[in-house]
Amino acid sequence: GQSLEQPSEVTAVEGAIVQINCTYQTSGFYGLSWYQQHDGGAPTFLSYNALDGLEETGRFSSFLSRSDSYGYLLLQELQMKDSASYFCAVRDPTGAGSYQLTFGKGTKLSVIP
Amino acid sequence: DGGITQSPKYLFRKEGQNVTLSCEQNLNHDAMYWYRQDPGQGLRLIYYSQIVNDFQKGDIAEGYSVSREKKESFPLTVTSAQKNPTAFYLCASSPRDRGRLEKQFFGPGTRLTVL
Repeated sequence: GQSLEQPSEVTAVEGAIVQINCTYQTSGFYGLSWYQQHDGGAPTFLSYNALDGLEETGRFSSFLSRSDSYGYLLLQELQMKDSASYFCAVRDPTGAGSYQLTFGKGTKLSVIP
Repeated sequence: DGGITQSPKYLFRKEGQNVTLSCEQNLNHDAMYWYRQDPGQGLRLIYYSQIVNDFQKGDIAEGYSVSREKKESFPLTVTSAQKNPTAFYLCASSPRDRGRLEKQFFGPGTRLTVL
């Protein structure tokens, strides 16, 4: 099976930088995904890291270290609209559930003025 | 515009009744998924389908059933056997190939309340 750990809540100031960490335990591993979900809304895909290193997309960056089973999502120049829940997700390519994404419980980010 | 639609947005049912949630996509994706979301629990997979006429149980399939007769449609039935059905239900789709499968597109969700 798989398990993912991420902080339940994070608070940051508008204009600042925040990092949301995710550690995972899986028997197999393809890569780490990140999703954003505003209250009452649908999750939307942010990023996917299959290889070690940093991927940048505008104000958002995502990092992966396969040797440490660890990744993070970095949000820069925070805006009020970034207040949302952020989920990391992994896929274990082994076994019957190889097409299945397993999600963490989510980190609720609150951006304050 | 391509996307995923779910209906209805809000659904109320009496205890002991079966109810079917609709999910339709026009993204031409092979794979479709159903998730359940409870407060503080993240997304948990109920069922998924990689291709028409085939589907697999996820982590919490008990009390649910699905069908995949068309590529575009993946309805979920919440049966009376589901002990605690009140939740937010999300449908998603994706391509099947590696790297693209991880990018799932979600519908707006159906909030089911059992009275």
